Amino acid sequence: SQQGEEDPQALSIQEGENATMNCSYKTSINNLQWYRQNSGRGLVHLILIRSNEREKHSGRLRVTLDTSKKSSSLLITASRAADTASYFCATGRSGNTPLVFGKGTRLSVIA
Amino acid sequence: GAGVSQTPSNKVTEKGKYVELRCDPISGHTALYWYRQSLGQGPEFLIYFQGTGAADDSGLPNDRFFAVRPEGSVSTLKIQRTERGDSAVYLCASSLTAGSSTDTQYFGPGTRLTVL
Repeated sequence: SQQGEEDPQALSIQEGENATMNCSYKTSINNLQWYRQNSGRGLVHLILIRSNEREKHSGRLRVTLDTSKKSSSLLITASRAADTASYFCATGRSGNTPLVFGKGTRLSVIA
Repeated sequence: GAGVSQTPSNKVTEKGKYVELRCDPISGHTALYWYRQSLGQGPEFLIYFQGTGAADDSGLPNDRFFAVRPEGSVSTLKIQRTERGDSAVYLCASSLTAGSSTDTQYFGPGTRLTVL
């Protein structure tokens, strides 16, 4: 079964705009991670945020975590066509194993 | 190696046949994971290994599925008497250790299994 649920399921924006994706989960976690997937194949790790952290940045990515609401958001600033992909949040229980994924958000960035 | 590799990249088989899917983790990674992803869904956990032993196989759907990692490196996922519902992308990932809250799981490109 899947714990996380991303919102929206699909998002279409113009190049240069910001994209925000949300993730909600059900049980307590040790950490939350965001992955990107192109064309339904391998996942690329983007960023990990631990349960005692509230915000984290990596380049054009900004992730927030609200454990009281069991939710996280991923913000991609100044989007590019190459950002077009599916984005998944994944939660880690104790010790980071195994990961429990949501259904993903399909992001389309139009040039 | 440079990353996690999986072979074959695509496998088409007939219902009832036996298949083996192979995963080569990143050199030195002690933890290895198998996930299955159906169309439009996120990956779902199947089994993970810490070294040679299966630390958690609670995600295996039934006893037709089995995985081994005899030398603590390469792993093989084995599916007996395949069914059409087994069609999915099977993803393998590895991490340096299991049990650390900051260990990233690195994924391979997956094997797309189609059961006719």
